Amino acid sequence: GQQVMQIPQYQHVQEGEDFTTYCNSSTTLSNIQWYKQRPGGHPVFLIQLVKSGEVKKQKRLTFQFGEAKKNSSLHITATQTTDVGTYFCAGPETSGSRLTFGEGTQLTVNP
Amino acid sequence: DGGITQSPKYLFRKEGQNVTLSCEQNLNHDAMYWYRQDPGQGLRLIYYSQIVNDFQKGDIAEGYSVSREKKESFPLTVTSAQKNPTAFYLCASRNGVSGIYGYTFGSGTRLTVV
Repeated sequence: GQQVMQIPQYQHVQEGEDFTTYCNSSTTLSNIQWYKQRPGGHPVFLIQLVKSGEVKKQKRLTFQFGEAKKNSSLHITATQTTDVGTYFCAGPETSGSRLTFGEGTQLTVNP
Repeated sequence: DGGITQSPKYLFRKEGQNVTLSCEQNLNHDAMYWYRQDPGQGLRLIYYSQIVNDFQKGDIAEGYSVSREKKESFPLTVTSAQKNPTAFYLCASRNGVSGIYGYTFGSGTRLTVV
């Protein structure tokens, strides 16, 4: 079945440093979604990318979708303590009826 | 405000007992999902439903059961057959059975076997 892999599993940064997490799918995706889960909280939808090579920005967050639509990345510029949490990517199965989530990247930010 | 309500927030179960986790949404979403999350782990799909009176098994359905009698409600029963039920359970919904919209998650239920 479809697999979605994320690296790294953990990332510790000093406040102000940049952060990037990478997502790779075993199959071509129609779209890719990103979620953030704060410690003790629930996942919250951040964004969806649909087009090959698409780049979207949300303030300090930059999301990219690969040309082959099999990989994606999330880059955070100048991290803040509010960025702490686990970031998940997710891609739909071919039928579109369910998402496959990556294992997530857990980000900690030292002030 | 529209959203998903999960209850209870914390639940303690004795071994051998069945327990039911509630999930209610007022978003008028068609599809609903149950995920299990273990500490430091990703999300694993238990069951999902795209329409009332229909549901499908996910990747870890053994020991769980669901029903979808109303569009708004998708309760999950953790049966005594589930040998390791201690986990964080998340309910989610999505607008459109084949749409490409993001999931909305509830705040979760933390189940502990005592």
